[in-house]
Amino acid sequence: EIQLVQSGAEVRKPGESLKISCKGSGYTFNRYWIGWVRQMSGKGLEWMGIIYPDDSDTRYSPSFEGQVTMSADKSMSTAYLQWSSLKASDTAIYYCVRPEGEATASGAYDIWGQGTMVVVSS
Amino acid sequence: SSELTQDPAVSVALGQTVRITCQGDSLRNYYANWYQQKPGQAPVLVVYGENRRPSGIPDRFSVSSTGTTSSLTITGAQAEDEADYYCNSRDRSIYVVFGGGTKLTVL
Repeated sequence: EIQLVQSGAEVRKPGESLKISCKGSGYTFNRYWIGWVRQMSGKGLEWMGIIYPDDSDTRYSPSFEGQVTMSADKSMSTAYLQWSSLKASDTAIYYCVRPEGEATASGAYDIWGQGTMVVVSS
Repeated sequence: SSELTQDPAVSVALGQTVRITCQGDSLRNYYANWYQQKPGQAPVLVVYGENRRPSGIPDRFSVSSTGTTSSLTITGAQAEDEADYYCNSRDRSIYVVFGGGTKLTVL
């Protein structure tokens, strides 16, 4: 079964750092882009960016450039999303996603992680 | 960056046909993809590309497009189709943009 399994929910204080993960299985991880999508409570989906695990080519949405860092470890079949200094406004569910085609950065995401809830509160 | 615009809410009577639209300049050059999201769940891809459905998605879901508008059609809406629907598309090169979402109510 092809799946993306994300790390569990996190609670942090403003200013703290955080790294969440997304582990792929059932397919050749390094041949598919991995994207990240944010969903704030009661709001819509926001595309954050995408990374190609084979060479770590990364593209960020202008809205998230400089706010987060995406990385991937192809030996571990795992992608990461990290913050160096969290804000309360980072409170959201974060999904990792995989496009339906190999080596394509298509926006057709047929595989979604279960989501990681991040709560940033003092 | 481009935007994709969706109506916030649409309703349909059980068994009837409903169309949910997504409008944006990027749709002149790229196909829209459509997602269904039910409360507390991750989104699910229901239609993508020219008019393709992932395995397991009922054929009552289809898409059509003209110019800058993509339309998701549900033919014979079922109670289980009540959900939020989002479109997205590529937006120049590798970037992707999502629409604001449409809440579908099945009456």
